Amino acid sequence: DSGVTQTPKHLITATGQRVTLRCSPRSGDLSVYWYQQSLDQGLQFLIQYYNGEERAKGNILERFSAQQFPDLHSELNLSSLELGDSALYFCASSKTVYNEQFFGPGTRLTVL
Amino acid sequence: AQKVTQAQTEISVVEKEDVTLDCVYETRDTTYYLFWYKQPPSGELVFLIRRNSFDEQNEISGRYSWNFQKSTSSFNFTITASQVVDSAVYFCALMNNNAGNMLTFGGGTRLMVKP
Repeated sequence: DSGVTQTPKHLITATGQRVTLRCSPRSGDLSVYWYQQSLDQGLQFLIQYYNGEERAKGNILERFSAQQFPDLHSELNLSSLELGDSALYFCASSKTVYNEQFFGPGTRLTVL
Repeated sequence: AQKVTQAQTEISVVEKEDVTLDCVYETRDTTYYLFWYKQPPSGELVFLIRRNSFDEQNEISGRYSWNFQKSTSSFNFTITASQVVDSAVYFCALMNNNAGNMLTFGGGTRLMVKP
């Protein structure tokens, strides 16, 4: 158990819908990262927050957004969902931006 | 741009065999960090090791060992006396100081250890 929690574990929804994925980092970790794992793209970085501020953006679609709250938990919002958004979404956290990242169990999103 | 290549997509061994997973990386930075993660069938990503670019000492942890060679831009991972529980997908990853500290992952190597 990495100490990073993600909810829900599974999510099944329809095209065009909007979902919110939630992540709680390990106690004391200030940095939160979101990654997407799909069969065709592999593991790809989406976005990073550090102590509430956005720090870096990767290949994140405009339909996707995220935020980190004062209690350091983070949410990833995915809207206007398409079939191709079906993937495993991981949240990771680290103490500072240079430390190793510990990953949560992931949220498996299926868009039908 | 940074890139990580794991040329072996799938390896199959019999229990107790030694196996080496290859990782080759590309970066223009002089300061960077290398990682290995394990993804067992249950799906979570488990952190195994982090090395920084200034520390080329090889590391051993139980049956696991890592060989970092800057001259060939490689960070290989060896499992000695493999066990069925080692069956998983293993990812090598690279982090640069100035690339937002994101991890750039290789495509992964699926290791199957047969009894």
